[in-house]
Amino acid sequence: KAGVTQTPRYLIKTRGQQVTLSCSPISGHRSVSWYQQTPGQGLQFLFEYFSETQRNKGNFPGRFSGRQFSNSRSEMNVSTLELGDSALYLCASSLMMRTDTQYFGPGTRLTVL
Amino acid sequence: AQRVTQPEKLLSVFKGAPVELKCNYSYSGSPELFWYVQYSRQRLQLLLRHISRESIKGFTADLNKGETSFHLKKPFAQEEDSAMYYCALRANTGNQFYFGTGTSLTVIP
Repeated sequence: KAGVTQTPRYLIKTRGQQVTLSCSPISGHRSVSWYQQTPGQGLQFLFEYFSETQRNKGNFPGRFSGRQFSNSRSEMNVSTLELGDSALYLCASSLMMRTDTQYFGPGTRLTVL
Repeated sequence: AQRVTQPEKLLSVFKGAPVELKCNYSYSGSPELFWYVQYSRQRLQLLLRHISRESIKGFTADLNKGETSFHLKKPFAQEEDSAMYYCALRANTGNQFYFGTGTSLTVIP
């Protein structure tokens, strides 16, 4: 079974731009969660999607948004990029919500200049 | 507010020595606690969860509600245990995880 895939793997943007990151969960998984990982703050929960609906949201500004498609693939969008948005963005999928095992993708490294 | 604290950023032990990675949490309800591990050039993966009370790769962790701790232990460290370890808490509603900042474990041969 293929693992969680994230595209692109690396991205460089400038302040003020917007970016869209993509996550394809493991086949059959319906829950997708997004995390931001930075050296200072560690892993911070952004949001979770299940059945195309956002179920949980972390404490991030409205510039961070996401969506999930009917095939469970998910995208997250960050508008009006700031330098502090530079981070590794991780996606994790699980079979259902609240199943114990989340499978993480390799991440997308976003650099904002 | 929920918080997970891993007080040690770096931890070095000799091969064969016992190892303990500390994790403390604050949460008003009954949390679920997990340990995740990330080996070099690999993805973050689940190591163990307190509910199952299992031992994985020789590691165990006991939830101590009185001390609000969930320390990870292994009696005899191996070189292949060198990795980044994250303690995580899941709230009792939803599927939101709160991660600690991680402890980098190095096992010296």
